[in-house]
Amino acid sequence: AQSVTQLGSHVSVSEGALVLLRCNYSSSVPPYLFWYVQYPNQGLQLLLKYTSAATLVKGINGFEAEFKKSETSFHLTKPSAHMSDAAEYFCAVSRSSGFQKLVFGTGTRLLVSP
Amino acid sequence: DTAVSQTPKYLVTQMGNDKSIKCEQNLGHDTMYWYKQDSKKFLKIMFSYNNKELIINETVPNRFSPKSPDKAHLNLHINSLELGDSAVYFCASSPPGDLYSSYNEQFFGPGTRLTVL
Repeated sequence: AQSVTQLGSHVSVSEGALVLLRCNYSSSVPPYLFWYVQYPNQGLQLLLKYTSAATLVKGINGFEAEFKKSETSFHLTKPSAHMSDAAEYFCAVSRSSGFQKLVFGTGTRLLVSP
Repeated sequence: DTAVSQTPKYLVTQMGNDKSIKCEQNLGHDTMYWYKQDSKKFLKIMFSYNNKELIINETVPNRFSPKSPDKAHLNLHINSLELGDSAVYFCASSPPGDLYSSYNEQFFGPGTRLTVL
């Protein structure tokens, strides 16, 4: 079975500060890992994904994440937060074979203050 | 140009009623999904269809019945609605599904907020 754990249901940063959202995964097979973002009253949008090509993955809006197998982590970072980054962020894991079945973490709400 | 659309956006109904939510995608994708997001924002897959064929059926009450009349549509019918069914339901789609498609991006609709009174 696969699962992800997101530490911290809420993360608060100041505009311009580093953003770090944590995600740890559990998988008995090589995983594919995803970060999705949900803006208020909207559906989810893919930020980036890890599919074993490169451990450092760059996504949209200046976000990036690093896959660390030894730590079973896939933390999301952004060097400088913008007010527009305020949203709910979901880490998700999928098995790397067969039809995709995303298992989501519980989400982290990012709050950005001026 | 809406990629994945859902109707209705809001649905308020009484316990015991039967209701349907419709989903359409114009992306040419083969695979479609239904997710339930509860009040704590937890998102869980319910069903997945590939080329109109059911491929994922999670532990969901029989009161929920998905129907895919064609590749572009995946509807969700719910019988005998209960208070616990109140949630936001998201439809999603992803590019052609095969045994090696687990890396594909899923495209989500805007959600349908169901409130059962």
